[in-house]
Amino acid sequence: QQQVKQSPQSLIVQKGGISIINCAYENTAFDYFPWYQQFPGKGPALLIAIRPDVSEKKEGRFTISFNKSAKQFSLHIMDSQPGDSATYFCAASKGGTGNQFYFGTGTSLTVIP
Amino acid sequence: EPEVTQTPSHQVTQMGQEVILRCVPISNHLYFYWYRQILGQKVEFLVSFYNNEISEKSEIFDDQFSVERPDGSNFTLKIRSTKLEDSAMYFCASRWLWTDNSPLHFGNGTRLTVT
Repeated sequence: QQQVKQSPQSLIVQKGGISIINCAYENTAFDYFPWYQQFPGKGPALLIAIRPDVSEKKEGRFTISFNKSAKQFSLHIMDSQPGDSATYFCAASKGGTGNQFYFGTGTSLTVIP
Repeated sequence: EPEVTQTPSHQVTQMGQEVILRCVPISNHLYFYWYRQILGQKVEFLVSFYNNEISEKSEIFDDQFSVERPDGSNFTLKIRSTKLEDSAMYFCASRWLWTDNSPLHFGNGTRLTVT
């Protein structure tokens, strides 16, 4: 059973455009929703994260929008740059020692100059 | 900035052989994890480790897998008898606490190829 569903699988955006990646989850016990950025040959790195008590979180050009009732959250990259070209993973976890992270299937973003 | 270090970067082994993947987590971190990523697919949780014991493990982490923290710095993943389907990128990760403001730090991974 896939705990976190992510779309699209790949995305091509012009430089300066907005990149939007969507995720949906089923388990209402999840209470932490991070986004990870992965460059080729590297491990995933935390980009931005949100808890379900807020509907939006912004850090620079990156914004998470969270819809608790729909069990959906999305990553918006404003003014997308070629350096943003990477694979993006959404994830979810629930509190507790160890707390396993469930990852989405990833979105390969290409920003065209 | 402190990093999670993994060795080797690439390991090739024959089916049925044992492999040990090594990780040095960030020094003051208390929680340790192994994840794997089959080429082009999602990152999958294998196991978490705290206070010298397994905290949580997934269905993937069967009897062929084991983890160990043999000393104060290393964290290892052993696969006793590798199968072709074990071919993947294995990521070690660590975090200081299990709370939200303690992010998961990943290493750059070990690519395991089973032939």
